Amino acid sequence: EVQLVQSGAEVKKPGESLKISCKTSGYSFTNFWIAWVRQMPGKGLEWMGIIYPSDSDTRYSPSFQGQVTISVDESISTSYLQWSSLRASDTAMYYCARRDHNSSNWGGLDPWGQGTLVIVSS
Amino acid sequence: IQMTQSPSTLSASVGARVTITCQASQDISYYVSWYQQKPGKAPKLLIYDASKLETGVPSVFSGSGSGTHFTFTISSLQPEDFATYYCQQYENLPLTFGGGTKVEIK
Repeated sequence: EVQLVQSGAEVKKPGESLKISCKTSGYSFTNFWIAWVRQMPGKGLEWMGIIYPSDSDTRYSPSFQGQVTISVDESISTSYLQWSSLRASDTAMYYCARRDHNSSNWGGLDPWGQGTLVIVSS
Repeated sequence: IQMTQSPSTLSASVGARVTITCQASQDISYYVSWYQQKPGKAPKLLIYDASKLETGVPSVFSGSGSGTHFTFTISSLQPEDFATYYCQQYENLPLTFGGGTKVEIK
């Protein structure tokens, strides 16, 4: 069974750094793009970026370029999303998701991790 | 690429047929997926490539369209179908989602 399991909720102060994780299992980690998606409280889904674990080719949405860093550790089949200096506006649920193996082109996203809630408050 | 989804909210009764539309700002061929999200849960892929049903998804759900206009239909609304639905284009990066449609009980 393909699974993406994300790290637990975080409460941070503005200016602090943070790295959240998405551990995958049940498939060949290096062969599928992994995406990160933000959902602010009560709002819709926003695509942040995508990484190909085999060569760490990473593409960012212009809205998130320079604001976050997406990475992988191939040895433990895990992707990461990190911030160097959090803002209150980063408060949101963050999801990782794998490129759907059935879809064409860049593909839909399936399955998804359970989400990591990040709260940034002074 | 902008994905304009409508309506933003929809009230319907159990057994009703409901349709949601997404309009793309440019031609995206058939590169559209549809997701269901229930409160407190991650989204779930229902439809990919505009009209193909993801494995295990009930056939009460369907999708159609190509180019710039896409529709998602629930043929007979069940209590477990009350949720928020999103379209997403994957013709080009950045991938983009529609604003969502909340399907409520009438």
